[in-house]
Amino acid sequence: AAGVIQSPRHLIKEKRETATLKCYPIPRHDTVYWYQQGPGQDPQFLISFYEKMQSDKGSIPDRFSAQQFSDYHSELNMSSLELGDSALYFCASSQRTGGINTEAFFGQGTRLTVV
Amino acid sequence: AQSVAQPEDQVNVAEGNPLTVKCTYSVSGNPYLFWYVQYPNRGLQFLLKYITGDNLVKGSYGFEAEFNKSQTSFHLKKPSALVSDSALYFCAVRDYSSASKIIFGSGTRLSIRP
Repeated sequence: AAGVIQSPRHLIKEKRETATLKCYPIPRHDTVYWYQQGPGQDPQFLISFYEKMQSDKGSIPDRFSAQQFSDYHSELNMSSLELGDSALYFCASSQRTGGINTEAFFGQGTRLTVV
Repeated sequence: AQSVAQPEDQVNVAEGNPLTVKCTYSVSGNPYLFWYVQYPNRGLQFLLKYITGDNLVKGSYGFEAEFNKSQTSFHLKKPSALVSDSALYFCAVRDYSSASKIIFGSGTRLSIRP
């Protein structure tokens, strides 16, 4: 079965650079989520989109932005990178049925290292 | 606001013994509850969910979880642990009224010794 695809799997950037992470949801899934997981931490919700519109916002820094495109893939844009942005970034997708989302399926993550 | 608590950072169990990983939740409405497992440097794998219906739900790899509304708990269980079950387990909740975000607990590291 198709899963959530994230690219790249690994990314190394210098401070103050920008990074773009991509996420391709499971086919027919209409909702995409972004999470950040620091070392030894639980995943922290950043932002989500439903049908290409932002549906919820969590602890996403102002330096970050995201969008969902017409083909439902999503991109997380990160600017002015800081050392503290080094983390594993997960994308997840789910399908809203009857107005309700249930479980989300996660990608393998992008490991971002800022040096 | 919704939240999840996993009171144990680590659970150690001998192979073949039953295991329990604890989780309690807090939501303003009806909860949707989930368990995910994470292996090193891997994504989160969905194990099981409670939406409505039977309080005992069965999931992947022989895991099950019991929803207890009065105790606001959703403990993960397995009758006989395997060494391969060693991983990081996250309990998660989605508030029915907040259809978008899933909130995770702090995680419990499960270690199964041979």
